[in-house]
Amino acid sequence: DTAVSQTPKYLVTQMGNDKSIKCEQNLGHDTMYWYKQDSKKFLKIMFSYNNKELIINETVPNRFSPKSPDKAHLNLHINSLELGDSAVYFCASRQGIGAGGVNEQFFGPGTRLTVL
Amino acid sequence: QKEVEQDPGPLSVPEGAIVSLNCTYSNSAFQYFMWYRQYSRKGPELLMYTYSSGNKEDGRFTAQVDKSSKYISLFIRDSQPSDSATYLCAMQLPAGGNKLVFGAGTILRVKS
Repeated sequence: DTAVSQTPKYLVTQMGNDKSIKCEQNLGHDTMYWYKQDSKKFLKIMFSYNNKELIINETVPNRFSPKSPDKAHLNLHINSLELGDSAVYFCASRQGIGAGGVNEQFFGPGTRLTVL
Repeated sequence: QKEVEQDPGPLSVPEGAIVSLNCTYSNSAFQYFMWYRQYSRKGPELLMYTYSSGNKEDGRFTAQVDKSSKYISLFIRDSQPSDSATYLCAMQLPAGGNKLVFGAGTILRVKS
Protein backbone atom coordinates (compact mmCIF):
# COMPACT_ATOMS: atom_id res chain seq x y z
CA ASP A 1 0.00 0.00 0.00
CA THR A 2 1.75 3.12 -1.23
CA ALA A 3 0.65 6.15 0.80
CA VAL A 4 2.26 8.89 -1.29
CA SER A 5 3.40 7.97 -4.77
CA GLN A 6 5.24 9.95 -7.41
CA THR A 7 5.86 9.40 -11.10
CA PRO A 8 8.30 9.22 -12.65
CA LYS A 9 10.97 8.13 -10.19
CA TYR A 10 13.76 9.29 -12.49
CA LEU A 11 13.63 11.97 -15.14
CA VAL A 12 16.53 12.87 -17.42
CA THR A 13 15.94 15.63 -19.93
CA GLN A 14 17.59 18.36 -21.94
CA MET A 15 17.75 22.05 -21.05
CA GLY A 16 14.81 23.99 -22.40
CA ASN A 17 12.34 21.09 -22.29
CA ASP A 18 9.04 21.10 -20.40
CA LYS A 19 8.28 18.25 -18.02
CA SER A 20 5.71 17.23 -15.43
CA ILE A 21 5.91 15.25 -12.21
CA LYS A 22 2.79 13.64 -10.76
CA CYS A 23 1.91 12.95 -7.13
CA GLU A 24 -0.95 11.00 -5.62
CA GLN A 25 -1.80 10.23 -2.00
CA ASN A 26 -4.28 7.63 -0.78
CA LEU A 27 -4.26 8.75 2.86
CA GLY A 28 -7.33 10.96 2.56
CA HIS A 29 -5.24 14.00 3.50
CA ASP A 30 -6.35 17.54 2.77
CA THR A 31 -2.99 19.22 2.28
CA MET A 32 -0.20 18.42 -0.16
CA TYR A 33 3.26 19.89 -0.71
CA TRP A 34 6.11 20.05 -3.18
CA TYR A 35 9.67 20.24 -1.90
CA LYS A 36 13.00 20.53 -3.68
CA GLN A 37 16.06 18.77 -2.23
CA ASP A 38 19.36 19.87 -3.68
CA SER A 39 22.61 17.92 -3.87
CA LYS A 40 23.52 18.98 -0.33
CA LYS A 41 20.31 17.41 1.02
CA PHE A 42 18.77 20.79 1.82
CA LEU A 43 14.98 20.34 1.68
CA LYS A 44 13.05 23.47 0.78
CA ILE A 45 9.31 23.92 0.43
CA MET A 46 8.00 25.17 -2.91
CA PHE A 47 4.20 24.97 -2.82
CA SER A 48 1.34 23.75 -0.69
CA TYR A 49 -2.28 23.08 -1.58
CA ASN A 50 -5.22 22.52 0.72
CA ASN A 51 -8.31 21.05 -0.92
CA LYS A 52 -7.13 22.25 -4.34
CA GLU A 53 -6.42 25.77 -3.05
CA LEU A 54 -2.89 27.19 -3.10
CA ILE A 55 -1.86 28.16 0.44
CA ILE A 56 1.94 28.34 0.28
CA ASN A 57 3.79 29.73 -2.70
CA GLU A 58 7.46 30.23 -1.93
CA THR A 59 9.80 32.29 -4.04
CA VAL A 60 10.33 29.94 -6.96
CA PRO A 61 10.67 30.83 -10.65
CA ASN A 62 7.33 31.09 -12.42
CA ARG A 63 8.55 28.32 -14.72
CA PHE A 64 7.29 26.05 -11.95
CA SER A 65 3.53 25.67 -11.89
CA PRO A 66 1.67 23.35 -9.53
CA LYS A 67 -1.77 22.01 -10.32
CA SER A 68 -4.18 20.15 -8.07
CA PRO A 69 -7.05 18.50 -9.98
CA ASP A 70 -8.44 17.10 -6.72
CA LYS A 71 -7.27 16.84 -3.13
CA ALA A 72 -5.57 13.48 -3.72
CA HIS A 73 -3.37 14.74 -6.56
CA LEU A 74 -0.79 17.48 -6.86
CA ASN A 75 1.25 17.76 -10.04
CA LEU A 76 4.25 19.94 -10.81
CA HIS A 77 4.90 21.28 -14.28
CA ILE A 78 8.25 22.81 -15.13
CA ASN A 79 8.77 24.91 -18.25
CA SER A 80 12.07 25.68 -19.96
CA LEU A 81 14.16 23.46 -17.71
CA GLU A 82 17.55 24.78 -16.59
CA LEU A 83 20.65 23.03 -15.26
CA GLY A 84 19.94 24.41 -11.79
CA ASP A 85 16.62 22.60 -11.69
CA SER A 86 18.46 19.30 -11.26
CA ALA A 87 17.44 18.00 -7.83
CA VAL A 88 15.17 15.52 -6.12
CA TYR A 89 11.58 16.70 -5.90
CA PHE A 90 9.46 15.36 -3.07
CA CYS A 91 5.74 15.40 -2.71
CA ALA A 92 4.25 15.24 0.79
CA SER A 93 0.83 15.30 2.39
CA ARG A 94 -0.76 15.88 5.79
CA GLN A 95 -4.21 15.82 7.32
CA GLY A 96 -5.73 19.29 7.76
CA ILE A 97 -4.13 22.66 8.48
CA GLY A 98 -6.07 23.62 11.61
CA ALA A 99 -4.54 25.93 14.14
CA GLY A 100 -2.23 24.15 16.52
CA GLY A 101 -1.18 20.55 16.23
CA VAL A 102 1.94 19.12 14.74
CA ASN A 103 2.36 19.26 10.97
CA GLU A 104 3.30 15.63 10.43
CA GLN A 105 3.96 15.23 6.76
CA PHE A 106 4.18 11.97 4.82
CA PHE A 107 6.66 12.07 1.98
CA GLY A 108 6.72 10.30 -1.34
CA PRO A 109 9.81 8.48 -2.62
CA GLY A 110 11.01 11.45 -4.65
CA THR A 111 11.59 12.17 -8.33
CA ARG A 112 15.23 12.56 -9.30
CA LEU A 113 15.40 15.16 -12.05
CA THR A 114 18.57 15.55 -14.08
CA VAL A 115 18.80 18.35 -16.62
CA LEU A 116 21.57 17.96 -19.19
CA GLN B 1 22.09 33.41 8.22
CA LYS B 2 19.72 30.50 7.63
CA GLU B 3 16.73 30.15 9.93
CA VAL B 4 17.82 26.62 10.84
CA GLU B 5 21.47 25.56 11.00
CA GLN B 6 22.57 21.94 11.02
CA ASP B 7 26.03 20.46 10.55
CA PRO B 8 25.86 18.22 7.45
CA GLY B 9 28.56 15.84 8.70
CA PRO B 10 29.11 13.09 7.81
CA LEU B 11 29.24 11.68 11.31
CA SER B 12 30.78 8.23 11.54
CA VAL B 13 30.49 6.19 14.74
CA PRO B 14 31.03 2.55 15.79
CA GLU B 15 28.05 0.35 16.53
CA GLY B 16 26.82 0.80 20.09
CA ALA B 17 27.96 4.42 20.39
CA ILE B 18 25.78 7.26 21.63
CA VAL B 19 25.08 9.70 18.85
CA SER B 20 24.29 13.39 19.34
CA LEU B 21 22.75 15.38 16.49
CA ASN B 22 22.05 19.08 16.84
CA CYS B 23 20.37 22.09 15.26
CA THR B 24 20.23 25.76 16.11
CA TYR B 25 17.61 28.20 14.98
CA SER B 26 17.00 31.92 14.94
CA ASN B 27 13.22 32.32 14.69
CA SER B 28 11.51 32.44 18.09
CA ALA B 29 8.15 31.80 16.41
CA PHE B 30 8.91 28.16 15.76
CA GLN B 31 6.37 26.02 17.58
CA TYR B 32 7.05 22.33 16.99
CA PHE B 33 10.50 20.81 16.70
CA MET B 34 10.87 17.63 14.69
CA TRP B 35 13.38 15.08 13.57
CA TYR B 36 12.95 13.36 10.25
CA ARG B 37 15.02 10.37 9.15
CA GLN B 38 15.82 9.86 5.49
CA TYR B 39 17.34 6.66 4.17
CA SER B 40 19.29 6.77 0.94
CA ARG B 41 17.05 7.31 -2.10
CA LYS B 42 13.91 7.45 0.06
CA GLY B 43 11.62 10.21 1.31
CA PRO B 44 12.00 11.61 4.83
CA GLU B 45 9.87 10.10 7.58
CA LEU B 46 8.98 11.66 10.91
CA LEU B 47 10.96 10.15 13.77
CA MET B 48 9.99 12.32 16.74
CA TYR B 49 8.64 15.72 17.62
CA THR B 50 8.45 17.95 20.67
CA TYR B 51 6.43 21.03 21.43
CA SER B 52 8.13 22.73 24.32
CA SER B 53 11.47 22.84 26.02
CA GLY B 54 12.50 19.60 27.68
CA ASN B 55 13.13 15.99 26.76
CA LYS B 56 11.05 13.38 25.01
CA GLU B 57 12.11 9.75 24.86
CA ASP B 58 11.08 7.00 22.46
CA GLY B 59 13.03 3.78 22.76
CA ARG B 60 16.66 4.45 21.92
CA PHE B 61 15.87 8.00 20.77
CA THR B 62 15.68 11.14 22.91
CA ALA B 63 14.75 14.56 21.58
CA GLN B 64 15.74 17.60 23.55
CA VAL B 65 14.68 21.22 23.07
CA ASP B 66 16.16 24.29 24.76
CA LYS B 67 14.11 27.28 23.62
CA SER B 68 16.15 29.76 25.64
CA SER B 69 19.26 28.80 23.68
CA LYS B 70 17.36 28.06 20.44
CA TYR B 71 19.02 24.67 20.34
CA ILE B 72 17.61 21.20 19.72
CA SER B 73 19.24 17.79 19.91
CA LEU B 74 18.54 14.19 19.03
CA PHE B 75 20.36 11.47 20.97
CA ILE B 76 20.56 7.90 19.74
CA ARG B 77 21.64 5.29 22.29
CA ASP B 78 23.18 1.96 21.35
CA SER B 79 23.41 3.02 17.72
CA GLN B 80 22.90 0.32 15.09
CA PRO B 81 24.02 0.07 11.45
CA SER B 82 20.32 0.37 10.55
CA ASP B 83 20.40 3.89 12.02
CA SER B 84 22.68 4.97 9.16
CA ALA B 85 20.70 7.67 7.38
CA THR B 86 20.40 11.42 7.02
CA TYR B 87 18.70 13.09 9.96
CA LEU B 88 16.90 16.33 9.25
CA CYS B 89 15.66 18.66 11.93
CA ALA B 90 12.53 20.58 11.03
CA MET B 91 10.71 23.40 12.75
CA GLN B 92 7.11 24.43 12.34
CA LEU B 93 5.80 27.96 12.04
CA PRO B 94 2.33 28.47 13.57
CA ALA B 95 1.08 30.62 10.71
CA GLY B 96 1.22 30.52 6.94
CA GLY B 97 -0.06 26.99 6.55
CA ASN B 98 2.09 25.57 9.35
CA LYS B 99 5.14 25.66 7.11
CA LEU B 100 8.09 23.45 8.01
CA VAL B 101 11.62 24.82 7.78
CA PHE B 102 14.24 22.11 7.49
CA GLY B 103 17.88 22.01 8.44
CA ALA B 104 20.44 20.81 5.91
CA GLY B 105 20.48 17.29 7.38
CA THR B 106 23.30 15.37 9.07
CA ILE B 107 24.57 12.21 7.41
CA LEU B 108 25.10 9.48 10.04
CA ARG B 109 27.08 6.31 9.42
CA VAL B 110 27.13 3.59 12.04
CA LYS B 111 29.84 1.03 11.40
CA SER B 112 29.50 -2.58 12.55
